[in-house]
Amino acid sequence: GQQVQQSPTSLVLQEGENAELQCNFSTSLNSMQWFYQRPGGSLISVFYNPSGTKQSGRLTSTTVIKERRSSLHISSSQITDSGTYLCAMESNYQLIWGSGTKLIIKP
Amino acid sequence: EAAVTQSPRNKVAVTGGKVTLSCNQTNNHNNMYWYRQDTGHGLRLIHYSYGAGSTEKGDIPDGYKASRPSQENFSLILELATPSQTSVYFCASGLRHNQAPLFGEGTRLSVL
Repeated sequence: GQQVQQSPTSLVLQEGENAELQCNFSTSLNSMQWFYQRPGGSLISVFYNPSGTKQSGRLTSTTVIKERRSSLHISSSQITDSGTYLCAMESNYQLIWGSGTKLIIKP
Repeated sequence: EAAVTQSPRNKVAVTGGKVTLSCNQTNNHNNMYWYRQDTGHGLRLIHYSYGAGSTEKGDIPDGYKASRPSQENFSLILELATPSQTSVYFCASGLRHNQAPLFGEGTRLSVL
């Protein structure tokens, strides 16, 4: 079965609102990574987060290994934040990917 | 600047034809990966490589072959393309498995 569940599948927000994206995983993992994919484009690493909380500008990632979950928080969203966010967990030297959350920020 | 370059960017192939997708990296990374991305499935690993001369099967290798003739180049080969292989293919390179890989821009393949 699916080892990494991402939610929500899609999210539509007004510019300035905060976004909360979740990943839950069903097996043990070593770390969680978050990627951003612009529409029709490549993937760019946003966070590599073994555990705990990391912040970069308006983005914050929190991974709790024991609870098998990771979240990505985007504060004061901007139109340019639109795209798909994917999480990937590292397990047994492989990355196992979630299906992504499509984020749309409206003006 | 670190880069992963894929070619072609778009490809239309006929069922039963041979398709070769190429990937070149200038990062001196040992590990290289081929993924396909389909709606609802996220990224799925097809083949990967630990270095020149090595290829390993990923999660969905059936219908695909891979070739790593050098540190820089990693190809994905569809000997007999089928419509189910219509997808977007991404190549990536990485220094270690627990390090975020660098991705190419993707190849959009349509098999008619």
